[in-house]
Formats: sequence, C-alpha cells, structure tokens
Amino acid sequence: QQQVRQSPQSLTVWEGETAILNCSYEDSTFNYFPWYQQFPGEGPALLISISSVSDKKEDGRFTIFFNKREKKLSLHITDSQPGDSATYFCAASAGNNNRIFFGDGTQLVVKP
Amino acid sequence: EAAVTQSPRSKVAVTGGKVTLSCHQTNNHDYMYWYRQDTGHGLRLIHYSYVADSTEKGDIPDGYKASRPSQENFSLILELASLSQTAVYFCASRDTANTEVFFGKGTRLTVV
Repeated sequence: QQQVRQSPQSLTVWEGETAILNCSYEDSTFNYFPWYQQFPGEGPALLISISSVSDKKEDGRFTIFFNKREKKLSLHITDSQPGDSATYFCAASAGNNNRIFFGDGTQLVVKP
Repeated sequence: EAAVTQSPRSKVAVTGGKVTLSCHQTNNHDYMYWYRQDTGHGLRLIHYSYVADSTEKGDIPDGYKASRPSQENFSLILELASLSQTAVYFCASRDTANTEVFFGKGTRLTVV
C-alpha cells in the first residue's frame, strides 16, 4: 500500500498563475512532511517542510497547507515562474524514524 | 551544505554482469539510503544503513545488495544485472538529528 499519494501526476500553468499540488498520506503517525524539488538531471532537494503541529508553512512564493484530520496537504506556488518547472515530491516520516516515504511526484510545467 | 557524491554518473551494463554503484558523503551523516527512480514511480527505497557495517532492506531489495564499509561510503551491488534494473539510482544521506535528506546527482544505469 502506497503510504504517500500525489495528484495530479502532471500540471501545466501559465507564468504568474498559482500552481496547486496535492498530497495525501495513510499513516497517522507521520508528523513531518517535506516537499522536494527535482530538476532534470539532478537529485531531489528539500524545498519546504511542515510538521503536524502546524497547518500552514510559508516560504516566499511556496506555501504548504496541512489538514491533519483529513490527512491531506497541498503545496501552493504563487506567481509561478518558468524556473519553477520541475518535479515535486511530497514525502512523510514519523519524526526521527529511519524511513521517509515519497509520493510518485507531480511534474510541473510553467509556460511563459 | 551536505555533499553526496555518486559514481559513476552513468553506466551501461550487460545482462548477467555485476554492477557496483558507489556513494560517498562528507558530512558525517549516520543514515545513508539507496533509492531507485523510474518514470511514474517516484523514489523507491532499496536499502539503507544507519551505521557502518550494517545495512537494512528497504521496499524493493530483491536483486540488490548493499555495503557500508565506513560512515562515508555506501555501495549498491547488482550481482546479476537484469533488464528490469535499468533506472536512475540515487544515494542519499541524513543526520540522526535532522530530518532533511540530502541526495546525490544520481547514476543512470542501462542494462542491455
């Protein structure tokens, strides 16, 4: 059973629009939710993260909204730029647990 | 910034041959991971280690072995490479006290 699910699989927006990437998880013990950004030919890199004690985390144009009751979260990218075109992975873990579980990713394309 | 170096960056292997992928990290991280990335499947955990001379199975360990001879080095070994093992492989590391995972740039393995 997949622990972390993402939708949509791919998303295209115009420059300046807000991109919304969705994520849901299964295990209620998960309490740390990072989002990783991956450009072609590179490894994923941490973009922004949130813990389960918060319902919102903002970093510039990137905002995570977290709904613990529904076990859902979303990444909002406002004023999307062509340079934001990448694959975004939602992940989850239970604190300092050895394991971190990744979703299958959302491929974002921002058209100029 | 944490540095995780993978070698080689790409490799073509013959079916049935032995392949060794190497990973080196320079930041004294305790945890090291090997992930496999296929289109549409995100990142799947093959093996991981939290201390030298010890490895653990991840979600898809069949056909792979891992070796952690030192804190800095973590290898992934394919004793009998198969066509289905064609993929991009990522090594990653994490500090015990920090939940951020640092990825290498990946190794593109093609088995023919």
